[in-house]
Amino acid sequence: LAKTTQPISMDSYEGQEVNITCSHNNIATNDYITWYQQFPSQGPRFIIQGYKTKVTNEVASLFIPADRKSSTLSLPRVSLSDTAVYYCLVGDSRAGYKLIFGSGTRLLVRP
Amino acid sequence: SAVISQKPSRDICQRGTSLTIQCQVDSQVTMMFWYRQQPGQSLTLIATANQGSEATYESGFVIDKFPISRPNLTFSTLTVSNMSPEDSSIYLCSVEEMGGTGTSLYNEQFFGPGTRLTVL
Repeated sequence: LAKTTQPISMDSYEGQEVNITCSHNNIATNDYITWYQQFPSQGPRFIIQGYKTKVTNEVASLFIPADRKSSTLSLPRVSLSDTAVYYCLVGDSRAGYKLIFGSGTRLLVRP
Repeated sequence: SAVISQKPSRDICQRGTSLTIQCQVDSQVTMMFWYRQQPGQSLTLIATANQGSEATYESGFVIDKFPISRPNLTFSTLTVSNMSPEDSSIYLCSVEEMGGTGTSLYNEQFFGPGTRLTVL
């Protein structure tokens, strides 16, 4: 399974755009890139998933360059409630996909 | 989206005893997963549980220590056997569902709230 590397922590301020980059040099052809968010004392929650180029939903955007060896999660105009740990995962998105969590990025949003 | 409940939400146990954690889903699902998350750490997959077959364990986890049952498509249990303080952790179950619409489909996992276990 592809290994991911993310910054351990990031700080931001309310209203700013936050970009968290993840590297996954050994990503395989069938692998998708998925981001999860985890608040303290809760299970992780799915944010977004993509295979290439750009994916956008109501909470985030995911940018994936052509070589797919990295990806960037973009959170527009963060608020205090976005303070959480963000995990980047890669793997085969077919049924039975096992999530292998890396260390994640602890995002702290300050007022 | 699947709604998952776990029992107990937390427990404090003595060394050498066993605890069974229950995971209940509000819909029928094929794949269920059990994770462990030690304080301040990331999640580690323990095993994958399919209904009607034996669970598949990840490296470092064995059935004797973490027996799993999957009697139907909405329920699973994880037992932490012969506990030691090193087993103190949060144990989470998750299920897999297909999300999105049309050509934008993706596999999404939904997690339970977790069971916080402290072993003295």
